[in-house]
Amino acid sequence: SQKIEQNSEALNIQEGKTATLTCNYTNYSPAYLQWYRQDPGRGPVFLLLIRENEKEKRKERLKVTFDTTLKQSLFHITASQPADSATYLCALDMKSGGYNKLIFGAGTRLAVHP
Amino acid sequence: EPEVTQTPSHQVTQMGQEVILRCVPISNHLYFYWYRQILGQKVEFLVSFYNNEISEKSEIFDDQFSVERPDGSNFTLKIRSTKLEDSAMYFCASSARQGSNQPQHFGDGTRLSIL
Repeated sequence: SQKIEQNSEALNIQEGKTATLTCNYTNYSPAYLQWYRQDPGRGPVFLLLIRENEKEKRKERLKVTFDTTLKQSLFHITASQPADSATYLCALDMKSGGYNKLIFGAGTRLAVHP
Repeated sequence: EPEVTQTPSHQVTQMGQEVILRCVPISNHLYFYWYRQILGQKVEFLVSFYNNEISEKSEIFDDQFSVERPDGSNFTLKIRSTKLEDSAMYFCASSARQGSNQPQHFGDGTRLSIL
Protein backbone atom coordinates (compact mmCIF):
# COMPACT_ATOMS: atom_id res chain seq x y z
CA SER A 1 0.00 0.00 0.00
CA GLN A 2 1.06 3.61 -0.44
CA LYS A 3 2.50 5.34 2.61
CA ILE A 4 4.03 8.65 3.59
CA GLU A 5 5.82 8.60 6.92
CA GLN A 6 7.06 11.50 8.99
CA ASN A 7 8.60 11.36 12.46
CA SER A 8 5.54 10.72 14.58
CA GLU A 9 7.12 11.96 17.79
CA ALA A 10 7.64 15.64 18.48
CA LEU A 11 11.09 17.01 17.85
CA ASN A 12 12.42 19.16 20.68
CA ILE A 13 15.51 21.27 20.06
CA GLN A 14 17.31 24.23 21.56
CA GLU A 15 17.14 27.64 19.96
CA GLY A 16 19.99 28.18 17.51
CA LYS A 17 20.36 24.50 16.59
CA THR A 18 19.43 22.93 13.28
CA ALA A 19 16.17 21.00 13.11
CA THR A 20 16.02 18.09 10.66
CA LEU A 21 12.69 16.54 9.76
CA THR A 22 12.28 13.40 7.69
CA CYS A 23 9.68 12.38 5.13
CA ASN A 24 9.75 8.85 3.71
CA TYR A 25 7.35 7.45 1.16
CA THR A 26 6.67 4.10 -0.47
CA ASN A 27 4.94 3.14 -3.69
CA TYR A 28 4.68 6.70 -4.99
CA SER A 29 6.64 8.37 -7.76
CA PRO A 30 5.97 12.06 -7.23
CA ALA A 31 7.31 14.61 -9.65
CA TYR A 32 7.44 17.17 -6.86
CA LEU A 33 7.46 17.23 -3.11
CA GLN A 34 6.22 20.18 -1.08
CA TRP A 35 6.68 21.21 2.55
CA TYR A 36 4.08 23.13 4.52
CA ARG A 37 3.90 24.58 8.01
CA GLN A 38 0.74 24.23 10.08
CA ASP A 39 0.07 26.13 13.30
CA PRO A 40 -2.68 24.97 15.70
CA GLY A 41 -6.13 25.85 14.35
CA ARG A 42 -4.72 27.22 11.10
CA GLY A 43 -4.45 26.00 7.53
CA PRO A 44 -1.20 24.72 6.01
CA VAL A 45 1.17 27.41 4.75
CA PHE A 46 3.43 26.64 1.79
CA LEU A 47 7.17 26.77 2.48
CA LEU A 48 9.17 25.09 -0.28
CA LEU A 49 8.84 22.67 -3.16
CA ILE A 50 11.46 20.52 -4.82
CA ARG A 51 11.44 18.73 -8.14
CA GLU A 52 12.44 15.10 -8.53
CA ASN A 53 15.61 16.00 -10.44
CA GLU A 54 16.71 18.59 -7.87
CA LYS A 55 18.87 17.33 -5.04
CA GLU A 56 18.54 20.38 -2.83
CA LYS A 57 16.56 23.62 -2.53
CA ARG A 58 17.15 26.52 -0.16
CA LYS A 59 15.14 29.49 1.03
CA GLU A 60 16.60 31.67 3.76
CA ARG A 61 17.06 29.36 6.80
CA LEU A 62 15.23 26.46 5.17
CA LYS A 63 16.76 23.66 3.13
CA VAL A 64 15.06 20.68 1.52
CA THR A 65 16.66 17.62 -0.04
CA PHE A 66 14.96 15.01 -2.19
CA ASP A 67 16.39 11.56 -2.81
CA THR A 68 14.15 9.62 -5.20
CA THR A 69 16.30 6.48 -4.86
CA LEU A 70 15.82 6.40 -1.08
CA LYS A 71 12.29 7.82 -1.47
CA GLN A 72 13.09 10.37 1.18
CA SER A 73 13.06 14.11 1.72
CA LEU A 74 14.83 15.93 4.53
CA PHE A 75 13.74 19.36 5.73
CA HIS A 76 16.24 21.46 7.66
CA ILE A 77 15.73 24.67 9.62
CA THR A 78 19.04 26.26 10.57
CA ALA A 79 19.50 28.69 13.45
CA SER A 80 16.09 27.66 14.75
CA GLN A 81 13.96 30.10 16.74
CA PRO A 82 11.02 29.57 19.11
CA ALA A 83 8.81 31.10 16.38
CA ASP A 84 9.65 28.06 14.21
CA SER A 85 7.65 25.86 16.60
CA ALA A 86 4.83 24.33 14.55
CA THR A 87 3.84 21.13 12.76
CA TYR A 88 5.62 20.59 9.46
CA LEU A 89 3.87 18.61 6.74
CA CYS A 90 5.41 16.99 3.73
CA ALA A 91 3.14 16.56 0.71
CA LEU A 92 3.64 14.54 -2.43
CA ASP A 93 2.47 16.36 -5.51
CA MET A 94 0.65 13.66 -7.46
CA LYS A 95 -0.38 14.19 -11.04
CA SER A 96 -3.46 12.24 -12.04
CA GLY A 97 -5.35 12.64 -15.27
CA GLY A 98 -3.61 15.92 -15.95
CA TYR A 99 -4.49 17.45 -12.61
CA ASN A 100 -2.58 17.68 -9.37
CA LYS A 101 -3.47 16.83 -5.82
CA LEU A 102 -1.42 16.85 -2.65
CA ILE A 103 -1.02 13.72 -0.55
CA PHE A 104 0.05 14.77 2.95
CA GLY A 105 2.03 13.02 5.61
CA ALA A 106 0.80 13.18 9.19
CA GLY A 107 3.34 15.89 10.05
CA THR A 108 6.07 16.31 12.62
CA ARG A 109 5.61 18.69 15.52
CA LEU A 110 8.69 20.82 16.18
CA ALA A 111 9.23 22.60 19.47
CA VAL A 112 12.14 25.05 19.69
CA HIS A 113 13.04 25.93 23.26
CA PRO A 114 14.76 29.19 24.27
CA GLU B 1 -0.73 39.43 0.58
CA PRO B 2 -3.91 37.91 -0.91
CA GLU B 3 -5.40 35.08 1.05
CA VAL B 4 -8.06 32.39 0.92
CA THR B 5 -10.94 33.12 3.28
CA GLN B 6 -13.38 30.58 4.67
CA THR B 7 -16.68 31.01 6.48
CA PRO B 8 -17.91 30.17 8.98
CA SER B 9 -14.91 29.42 11.18
CA HIS B 10 -17.02 26.96 13.20
CA GLN B 11 -20.23 25.23 12.17
CA VAL B 12 -22.30 23.07 14.51
CA THR B 13 -24.96 20.96 12.82
CA GLN B 14 -27.32 18.17 13.78
CA MET B 15 -26.67 14.80 12.15
CA GLY B 16 -28.69 14.40 8.97
CA GLN B 17 -28.80 18.12 8.24
CA GLU B 18 -27.31 19.76 5.17
CA VAL B 19 -24.34 22.05 5.58
CA ILE B 20 -22.63 24.44 3.16
CA LEU B 21 -19.07 25.55 3.74
CA ARG B 22 -17.95 28.67 1.91
CA CYS B 23 -14.62 29.76 0.53
CA VAL B 24 -13.36 32.80 -1.33
CA PRO B 25 -10.20 31.74 -3.19
CA ILE B 26 -7.46 34.17 -4.21
CA SER B 27 -8.95 36.28 -6.98
CA ASN B 28 -6.75 35.38 -9.95
CA HIS B 29 -6.51 31.68 -9.09
CA LEU B 30 -8.11 29.13 -11.37
CA TYR B 31 -7.76 25.82 -9.52
CA PHE B 32 -9.65 25.05 -6.35
CA TYR B 33 -9.50 22.27 -3.81
CA TRP B 34 -11.15 20.99 -0.67
CA TYR B 35 -9.27 19.00 1.96
CA ARG B 36 -10.34 17.79 5.36
CA GLN B 37 -8.45 17.06 8.58
CA ILE B 38 -10.04 14.93 11.27
CA LEU B 39 -8.76 15.94 14.71
CA GLY B 40 -5.26 14.58 15.26
CA GLN B 41 -5.02 13.09 11.78
CA LYS B 42 -3.48 14.10 8.49
CA VAL B 43 -4.81 16.49 5.89
CA GLU B 44 -6.76 14.47 3.27
CA PHE B 45 -7.61 15.45 -0.28
CA LEU B 46 -11.32 15.57 -1.10
CA VAL B 47 -11.77 17.18 -4.50
CA SER B 48 -10.20 19.44 -7.10
CA PHE B 49 -12.17 21.80 -9.35
CA TYR B 50 -11.31 23.64 -12.51
CA ASN B 51 -13.28 25.34 -15.25
CA ASN B 52 -16.55 24.75 -13.42
CA GLU B 53 -16.17 21.04 -13.11
CA ILE B 54 -14.63 18.46 -10.81
CA SER B 55 -11.25 17.35 -12.09
CA GLU B 56 -10.62 14.69 -9.47
CA LYS B 57 -12.23 13.41 -6.29
CA SER B 58 -11.16 11.01 -3.58
CA GLU B 59 -13.11 8.02 -2.32
CA ILE B 60 -14.15 10.15 0.67
CA PHE B 61 -16.04 12.48 -1.69
CA ASP B 62 -19.15 10.34 -2.13
CA ASP B 63 -22.64 11.25 -3.33
CA GLN B 64 -23.31 13.21 -0.14
CA PHE B 65 -20.72 15.80 -1.16
CA SER B 66 -20.91 18.39 -3.89
CA VAL B 67 -18.97 21.49 -4.88
CA GLU B 68 -20.02 24.58 -6.72
CA ARG B 69 -18.66 27.88 -7.89
CA PRO B 70 -21.92 29.83 -7.93
CA ASP B 71 -20.37 33.13 -8.96
CA GLY B 72 -16.96 34.56 -9.82
CA SER B 73 -15.67 34.60 -6.26
CA ASN B 74 -17.18 31.88 -4.06
CA PHE B 75 -16.41 28.17 -3.97
CA THR B 76 -18.66 26.02 -1.81
CA LEU B 77 -18.65 22.51 -0.38
CA LYS B 78 -22.06 21.03 0.44
CA ILE B 79 -22.67 17.95 2.53
CA ARG B 80 -26.26 16.84 1.96
CA SER B 81 -26.95 14.66 4.99
CA THR B 82 -24.22 14.96 7.56
CA LYS B 83 -22.92 12.04 9.58
CA LEU B 84 -21.02 12.03 12.86
CA GLU B 85 -17.85 11.02 11.01
CA ASP B 86 -18.02 14.19 8.91
CA SER B 87 -16.81 16.12 11.95
CA ALA B 88 -13.46 17.61 10.92
CA MET B 89 -11.65 20.76 9.82
CA TYR B 90 -12.38 21.49 6.18
CA PHE B 91 -9.78 23.47 4.28
CA CYS B 92 -10.23 25.20 0.97
CA ALA B 93 -7.17 25.83 -1.19
CA SER B 94 -6.45 27.48 -4.52
CA SER B 95 -3.57 27.65 -6.94
CA ALA B 96 -2.82 30.03 -9.77
CA ARG B 97 -2.05 27.51 -12.44
CA GLN B 98 -2.08 23.83 -13.03
CA GLY B 99 1.16 21.94 -12.92
CA SER B 100 3.34 20.12 -10.49
CA ASN B 101 5.28 23.17 -9.41
CA GLN B 102 2.38 25.15 -8.03
CA PRO B 103 2.01 25.74 -4.32
CA GLN B 104 -1.49 25.61 -2.96
CA HIS B 105 -2.75 28.44 -0.78
CA PHE B 106 -4.95 27.29 2.08
CA GLY B 107 -7.58 29.06 4.10
CA ASP B 108 -7.73 28.67 7.88
CA GLY B 109 -10.55 26.19 7.62
CA THR B 110 -14.06 25.62 8.91
CA ARG B 111 -14.39 23.42 11.96
CA LEU B 112 -17.48 21.27 11.37
CA SER B 113 -18.99 19.63 14.43
CA ILE B 114 -21.82 17.13 13.89
CA LEU B 115 -23.98 16.41 16.93
